[in-house]
Amino acid sequence: DTEVTQTPKHLVMGMTNKKSLKCEQHMGHRAMYWYKQKAKKPPELMFVYSYEKLSINESVPSRFSPECPNSSLLNLHLHALQPEDSALYLCASSQGGWGSTDTQYFGPGTRLTVL
Amino acid sequence: AQSVTQLGSHVSVSEGALVLLRCNYSSSVPPYLFWYVQYPNQGLQLLLKYTTGATLVKGINGFEAEFKKSETSFHLTKPSAHMSDAAEYFCALPGGYGQNFVFGPGTRLSVLP
Repeated sequence: DTEVTQTPKHLVMGMTNKKSLKCEQHMGHRAMYWYKQKAKKPPELMFVYSYEKLSINESVPSRFSPECPNSSLLNLHLHALQPEDSALYLCASSQGGWGSTDTQYFGPGTRLTVL
Repeated sequence: AQSVTQLGSHVSVSEGALVLLRCNYSSSVPPYLFWYVQYPNQGLQLLLKYTTGATLVKGINGFEAEFKKSETSFHLTKPSAHMSDAAEYFCALPGGYGQNFVFGPGTRLSVLP
């Protein structure tokens, strides 16, 4: 089983709202990733947790706050977002830790719209 | 530094025709190479990957890719296109120590009836 699940599938929020995206995998993978994807572009890396520690923060604004409660869960907390943050947010996981050559398995994504 | 290029941001083929999506890479080490497919409003799904060994790699949905070191290429092919193949296709390779995957810009495949 190579499934990564994400909830919610769609999210519409105002600029003053606080919301969270959730990602889950039960494959025993040691690295989990958040990506942002704009239309007709490849995914852009935002954060990486490797062995439950934040390994990479790609200069993401503080209105995005990641959290890794345990080895299977990854959250992305959203606050005071801007309309330009509207995008597809993808979660991924890989067997090896950060920087490995292992396959990254992606979830179905959350389509976020900021009004 | 690792890099990936995909020639053609948009490729159109007729149903039943050959599909050829191009991927060229630059890597300082023997590369692992991946093809992902993304259907509209969905995540990326692994089509196939090359690690070592046989240079012709078979994937899901009838796709295959051939690793050619001399040409630094990893082109994706399918003998006969189906309407359900319409999607965005990304070629990718690991970025090396301490680096993330490097994704190509993507190729959108349209299949015409």
